[in-house]
Amino acid sequence: SAVISQKPSRDICQRGTSLTIQCQVDSQVTMMFWYRQQPGQSLTLIATANQGSEATYESGFVIDKFPISRPNLTFSTLTVSNMSPEDSSIYLCSVDPGGQGARGYTFGSGTRLTVV
Amino acid sequence: GNSVTQMEGPVTLSEEAFLTINCTYTATGYPSLFWYVQYPGEGLQLLLKATKADDKGSNKGFEATYRKETTSFHLEKGSVQVSDSAVYFCALKAGTALIFGKGTTLSVSS
Repeated sequence: SAVISQKPSRDICQRGTSLTIQCQVDSQVTMMFWYRQQPGQSLTLIATANQGSEATYESGFVIDKFPISRPNLTFSTLTVSNMSPEDSSIYLCSVDPGGQGARGYTFGSGTRLTVV
Repeated sequence: GNSVTQMEGPVTLSEEAFLTINCTYTATGYPSLFWYVQYPGEGLQLLLKATKADDKGSNKGFEATYRKETTSFHLEKGSVQVSDSAVYFCALKAGTALIFGKGTTLSVSS
């Protein structure tokens, strides 16, 4: 299965600033997914990123707040913009290396963000 | 729409007890179903999966059977260990991404 390197692993940021999270995959994948896991909660899909096109955002998430880049088939970034304490969460990227969920989805180790 | 409902936690068991974590889903068609586990301080790991009705996924002594008639995918283990203490998430593949249940925390004591 694919191996994902996600960084930073954690950060403490001031409100009003932005943080960019990077995910690097060791194989080419068509789609990359970004999730948010708020404290004590489940994972919520933020957006799906395809190489060469704009990301598709889920209801409640907008590009101005969570801009995503996908410059090639092994890399993506998620930026959390103009942060507030409510953005404190774990952010995870995920890929489907086998396609169609055949081998299960692989997740990065997550970025634990605290906004103060 | 698509959704996953898991039993509320936390679940507290003694070592060697039998475990069941209930999971039911709502979806159009026949989605693939997954159980993921998140050990303390670690990332999310795939535990097992099933892609069609009556499939049984299994791994590390855990099992779950895809029941179309009851739209369920309950997780079971015959004898839990302290090392099984973690948060367990049921998920379904809807379109291209996963939709997760709220997670069930399992705590096993010796």
